[in-house]
Order: sequence, then C-alpha cells, then structure tokens
Amino acid sequence: GDQVEQSPSALSLHEGTGSALRCNFTTTMRAVQWFRKNSRGSLINLFYLASGTKENGRLKSAFDSKERYSTLHIRDAQLEDSGTYFCAAETGSWQLIFGSGTQLTVMP
Amino acid sequence: GGIITQTPKFLIGQEGQKLTLKCQQNFNHDTMYWYRQDSGKGLRLIYYSITENDLQKGDLSEGYDASREKKSSFSLTVTSAQKNEMAVFLCASSIRGGRAETLYFGSGTRLTVL
Repeated sequence: GDQVEQSPSALSLHEGTGSALRCNFTTTMRAVQWFRKNSRGSLINLFYLASGTKENGRLKSAFDSKERYSTLHIRDAQLEDSGTYFCAAETGSWQLIFGSGTQLTVMP
Repeated sequence: GGIITQTPKFLIGQEGQKLTLKCQQNFNHDTMYWYRQDSGKGLRLIYYSITENDLQKGDLSEGYDASREKKSSFSLTVTSAQKNEMAVFLCASSIRGGRAETLYFGSGTRLTVL
C-alpha cells in the first residue's frame, strides 16, 4: 500500500481563514518536506523537517516521526496561496516518497 | 493506474564520467520533468518536455542533457559528474493542460560521485 497518505485531496478556504493539511506515514520516516507547485511546474520547498515544528509567515509545519505524521497549517489564507501542495517523506534509504497532493483553492 | 519507473535506483560514478538516467511512464502523459533534489533542499527543475522530441530548460540545466525520443520515455544525462556530488534525481509526468494538473513522480535515482 501507499506509504504516504495525504489529505485532503482538495480544500477550499475563504480568504482570512485557515486549515491544515496532513500526511500520514505507514512506516517511520527520517524527514518530511512540504512543497507547493508553482505555475512552471516546479515544486517550491516550503519546509524541511527532521523533527519538531517550523514556522514561516502564515505557514507552520510539524513532523512527528514516532506518531508517523506531518501537518501543514495555513492561517489567514490569501488568494495567492491557491495551488497544489505536496508532502514528501524521506525514507531511511534516502528515497523521497511523495503524497498525492492537496489542491487548495482560496476564495474571496 | 499508471506508474513511473526510474532506472537505476542507485548510480555510482567517477569524476568526469558521463552518466545517463532513464525514466519511463505508462500514463500516456504529454509532459515529463526531471528534478534534482539535494539534501535538505527543495527540488529544482533541470529539464522538462511537453511532448515527444520537445525539450525545455529548467533552472538547473547547465551540466545536463536530456532526450525525449518517444512519449513514454525521458532520459537525463549528466555530462561530466562532479566529484563528491550527491543528489536524488526525480522524474515526473503530468497531463498537458489538465485543470487540476497533477505531477506523478518516480521514486528517484540517487547519484553518488566518488
């Protein structure tokens, strides 16, 4: 089965509100990254965590290796936050396993 | 469902060597991509191709060549491997013009240069 389960697959938010994306892992992962895909198709790295939490502006991410999950919280959503967000887990063998993505739509 | 297959999974090379990475997809997707992942950093786009025989340079194309000889395959060549280089190369594909375009990734090729 899939080693990384990302949810939700799609999310709609009104401007100024917030929510969380989540990735669950079926095995222990060494680290997690969160990406956002830009208009060129490149994945822009948002966070890289080996443990704990990190915050950057309106985004905050947490990774719990023992409990096998990671979250990405968005607060005060803006229109420009719309896009596709991916988590990717780094396994012990240093391969990256990506979640299936969350399509975020921020509405006025 | 489809799959993206990257070969080899692990690649060890010597400084100055020319190395080729291969990627196959059976999604019948039009667009394919090569990304490079360095430890602790985000992916960077090397090349992409929107259709057979098309090549577009990404942000990191210097030092690489690519080839899209048929729709299902996209190969990447490291023209001259750099000593102590270590990175993971990820191939991806997507439906051209899809409204909710989704990138599907292979599991990666890890390059180590001795």
